[in-house]
Amino acid sequence: RKEVEQDPGPFNVPEGATVAFNCTYSNSASQSFFWYRQDCRKEPKLLMSVYSSGNEDGRFTAQLNRASQYISLLIRDSKLSDSATYLCVVKMDDKIIFGKGTRLHILP
Amino acid sequence: DGGITQSPKYLFRKEGQNVTLSCEQNLNHDAMYWYRQDPGQGLRLIYYSQIVNDFQKGDIAEGYSVSREKKESFPLTVTSAQKNPTAFYLCASSGARYTEAFFGQGTRLTVV
Repeated sequence: RKEVEQDPGPFNVPEGATVAFNCTYSNSASQSFFWYRQDCRKEPKLLMSVYSSGNEDGRFTAQLNRASQYISLLIRDSKLSDSATYLCVVKMDDKIIFGKGTRLHILP
Repeated sequence: DGGITQSPKYLFRKEGQNVTLSCEQNLNHDAMYWYRQDPGQGLRLIYYSQIVNDFQKGDIAEGYSVSREKKESFPLTVTSAQKNPTAFYLCASSGARYTEAFFGQGTRLTVV
């Protein structure tokens, strides 16, 4: 089983729609969790950290379920500028493991 | 400004030559990382370092070497033993234990 697994997509979603991504991780000792965004041919940038209580940043909501080893990201009212690859990231001690990413295309 | 700097942005080398990629950070982070990304693929961990003079192999360390002589610097050498060195190389650093990683802008290495 891969350490961090994501559906690669692509997700083709009309502008204004809500889209959800999921991610599972294999190591129950994982300590912290993040979603990153990567634009084509650029470095990944932090979108948000993920907490067990769930957290929201504007149109973005992230959720962690430690029992199921599952992380989610919800994007509401999607914009054309949300088109990117979304990377699920898990940190354990100082090792940081990235999922392969989910590609999102927002359609006008 | 605090940040992480990789140089050069683009690098071309002939097959069989070793090449060293630079990564410098002024964020006072203890941990530093090297990842490789191939087109349409995710990031794969090459090496990481938690403290000066210590580093660990990641998932694809074969054909690569690193050093960590200073906290600020974590250069990566792509050796001639690396069979498919052409890729996008990303360096990152991270501070306290549960905090996120920050990335440099990456180096695109092309070996011809």
